[in-house]
Amino acid sequence: QSVLTQPPSVSGAPGQRVTISCTGSSSNIGAGYDVHWYQQLPGTAPKLLIYDNSNRPSGVPDRFSGSKSGTSASLAITGLQAEDEADYYCQSYDSSLSGYVVFGGGTKLTVL
Amino acid sequence: EVQLLESGGGLVQPGGSLRLSCAASGFTFSSYAMSWVRQAPGKGLEWVSGISGSGGRTYYADSVKGRYTISRDNAKNTLYLQMNSLRAEDTAVYYCAKDQGGNEDWYFDLWGRGTLVTVSS
Repeated sequence: QSVLTQPPSVSGAPGQRVTISCTGSSSNIGAGYDVHWYQQLPGTAPKLLIYDNSNRPSGVPDRFSGSKSGTSASLAITGLQAEDEADYYCQSYDSSLSGYVVFGGGTKLTVL
Repeated sequence: EVQLLESGGGLVQPGGSLRLSCAASGFTFSSYAMSWVRQAPGKGLEWVSGISGSGGRTYYADSVKGRYTISRDNAKNTLYLQMNSLRAEDTAVYYCAKDQGGNEDWYFDLWGRGTLVTVSS
């Protein structure tokens, strides 16, 4: 069971907008720690998609955006494309006894 | 070219040991904290261990504390993970990952391709 909770799956048609939630607690997201998002295409290593809640590394399309509020964060993808079909993971820092780096369980995005 | 290349994975019996290596190139290795992140077959990502740029500070997930040791050789631009007392649940692809900033930010802008560790009799 992951420290950060994500929906197992989401789906959308090409061109649509989808969001992926990431729910934490007072020892991680709620404590003010930043949230980061990764995209993992099938058979490949994860790729940093969003850092510090809402910043995009160079090369990441502006169709991807992130936000954070309270103990939760969200990743939004607009203008959905077939190549967006992948697993998405949120990540933060946790100050509890079992702390340090924590990931969400991952969300499988299916483009219909 | 900026890259990370893991090696050392393989099949090992329960209770056995294995040492993973990660060769870094294309950036000033000693300036960045590094981590190992693993992914069991069909499962999500799990952070395993991290180390500061100098190597003076190390961090471990509870699941591996006391069994794994992270280290680095900045002269060789190489990160290591010594894994002892291996269990079936340690079976995973192990990724080497570079911290984005120089301040132990603990998020990762560069990943290797991973090396598979299988613990089985």
